[in-house]
Amino acid sequence: DQQVKQNSPSLSVQEGRISILNCDYTNSMFDYFLWYKKYPAEGPTFLISISSIKDKNEDGRFTVFLNKSAKHLSLHIVPSQPGDSAVYFCAASAGGQGAQKLVFGQGTRLTINP
Amino acid sequence: DTGVSQDPRHKITKRGQNVTFRCDPISEHNRLYWYRQTLGQGPEFLTYFQNEAQLEKSRLLSDRFSAERPKGSFSTLEIQRTEQGDSAMYLCASSGGRLIGETQYFGPGTRLLVL
Repeated sequence: DQQVKQNSPSLSVQEGRISILNCDYTNSMFDYFLWYKKYPAEGPTFLISISSIKDKNEDGRFTVFLNKSAKHLSLHIVPSQPGDSAVYFCAASAGGQGAQKLVFGQGTRLTINP
Repeated sequence: DTGVSQDPRHKITKRGQNVTFRCDPISEHNRLYWYRQTLGQGPEFLTYFQNEAQLEKSRLLSDRFSAERPKGSFSTLEIQRTEQGDSAMYLCASSGGRLIGETQYFGPGTRLLVL
């Protein structure tokens, strides 16, 4: 069973506009959520995280929103830059602050067009 | 320390052979994780260590797979009698540093191809 789902395999956005990546989860025990970015032939790079006690966390151009009732989170990137082109994974864990195993979605390939 | 390192970066082997991968975590991190990623999928959890103790193993980790973390520093993942279905990217992550906290930081991965 896929406990974390990213239903959009790909997304194309114009440079300078907002990119919105979505993620849904089914396990109500998840209490910590992360977004990672991955370039080809590299490991995932941590971007931003959010605890279930919050509904928003912001870091520069990146903002993560959490809607617990809908079991949905999203990553907003604004403004989008060409270097943001990569595969983005959302991940979730139960037990606080990612100290346990992470459950990943399938990923969304983001392409930023000049 | 510049991050998690993994060796080798690539490995091609014939079916039935044994392979071993190494992961060196960020220094002072007491937790170390192994994940496997196949094409078009996100990473899947295999196992994790706190210091030298292996605390959890996924059902994905068949009896052909064994992981160790002697002395709570580097870790090795061995696959015995490899099968073509073992072809994947094997990722290592670490966490648990006093300054960094519990966020898991990943290495570059070892790509395994079983012929």
